[in-house]
Amino acid sequence: AQSVTQLGSHVSVSEGALVLLRCNYSSSVPPYLFWYVQYPNQGLQLLLKYTSAATLVKGINGFEAEFKKSETSFHLTKPSAHMSDAAEYFCAVSDGSNNDMRFGAGTRLTVKP
Amino acid sequence: GAVVSQHPSRVICKSGTSVKIECRSLDFQATTMFWYRQFPKKSLMLMATSNEGSKATYEQGVEKDKFLINHASLTLSTLTVTSAHPEDSSFYICSAPGRKQETQYFGPGTRLLVL
Repeated sequence: AQSVTQLGSHVSVSEGALVLLRCNYSSSVPPYLFWYVQYPNQGLQLLLKYTSAATLVKGINGFEAEFKKSETSFHLTKPSAHMSDAAEYFCAVSDGSNNDMRFGAGTRLTVKP
Repeated sequence: GAVVSQHPSRVICKSGTSVKIECRSLDFQATTMFWYRQFPKKSLMLMATSNEGSKATYEQGVEKDKFLINHASLTLSTLTVTSAHPEDSSFYICSAPGRKQETQYFGPGTRLLVL
């Protein structure tokens, strides 16, 4: 069985500051890992994904994440937060075979001016 | 790119009525679709896997007689919430896998409010 744990249900940063959203995974097989963003009353938008290629994955809107097998982590970062980054972020894991995903509880990012 | 649509985007109904939510894959075929439920300020919970031409597979704890799923074609899956009650109020999201196994395309979601 696979699962992800997102540390911190709410993260608040100042505009221009580093964004770090934490995700740890558990998987019995090599995982596929994803970060999604959800704006209020909208569906999910894929930010980036790890599928066993490069461990440092770059996504849209300046976000990136690094797969660290030794730490079973896939933390999401962005060097400089923008007001438009305020949203809910979900980490997810899949084994790639049957395509169903398991989501973390989500982290709400607030960006202060 | 591949797109998944959902209809309706928002529905309000009276308690005891049934509501049908459609999930369509646009410009691609999906033999499998997934239905998720999201409670306010909570994560997505996988409810069931919809299989074209066969019965859906439900996750543990999800009432299959309550949440009827029909995957009648390669581009359409429907979720019917039968005899809806206020506790069924939620945000329902579907997804369909793309050609690359790891790619999932999510619909925009349907917000259900049962009065």
